[in-house]
Amino acid sequence: RKEVEQDPGPFNVPEGATVAFNCTYSNSASQSFFWYRQDCRKEPKLLMSVYSSGNEDGRFTAQLNRASQYISLLIRDSKLSDSATYLCAGSGDSNYQLIWGAGTKLIIKP
Amino acid sequence: EAGVAQSPRYKIIEKRQSVAFWCNPISGHATLYWYQQILGQGPKLLIQFQNNGVVDDSQLPKDRFSAERLKGVDSTLKIQPAKLEDSAVYLCASSSLMGAPGPFGPGTRLTVL
Repeated sequence: RKEVEQDPGPFNVPEGATVAFNCTYSNSASQSFFWYRQDCRKEPKLLMSVYSSGNEDGRFTAQLNRASQYISLLIRDSKLSDSATYLCAGSGDSNYQLIWGAGTKLIIKP
Repeated sequence: EAGVAQSPRYKIIEKRQSVAFWCNPISGHATLYWYQQILGQGPKLLIQFQNNGVVDDSQLPKDRFSAERLKGVDSTLKIQPAKLEDSAVYLCASSSLMGAPGPFGPGTRLTVL
């Protein structure tokens, strides 16, 4: 079983809609979680950290559900520019080590 | 602030040849990472430095890959000899101590023929 799993998508979403996707993790000892955005043929960019209490940054909200071992990313009022692959990452056996998912592809359509 | 610099941006070599990549992190960032990203997959950590010491190299194929971080600043990653399955994007990232990896450099796209 992969340690961090994501639905590869693509999620095809009309502009202005709300979209959410999850990322499950298998290591119950994981402490730190992050969402990254990666545009086609570009490097990943840190989107936001995921805190136990949840984290909101403008149209983006990240949540952590420890009981079910998943993190989520919600995007409200989606823009064409939100089209990208969204990677989640969680700490492994130590906080030094991050385990990455394969990413969820999001396509926002006009 | 200057970003993470990497060179070369693209490299095409034949199998069994050698190749080296260079990374210059954000000034003052203690932690430097090398990742391998194969198309359609997430980044895979190859090696993580903290200053000039290795924190994690558990997934580095040490029979063919080597890396060093000179004086805790620049870093080089070498593959010798290359195999077809090494075709990937090699990403360098840096971070402050205990921070999330990032920013990332633009990557080096390696094609092994």
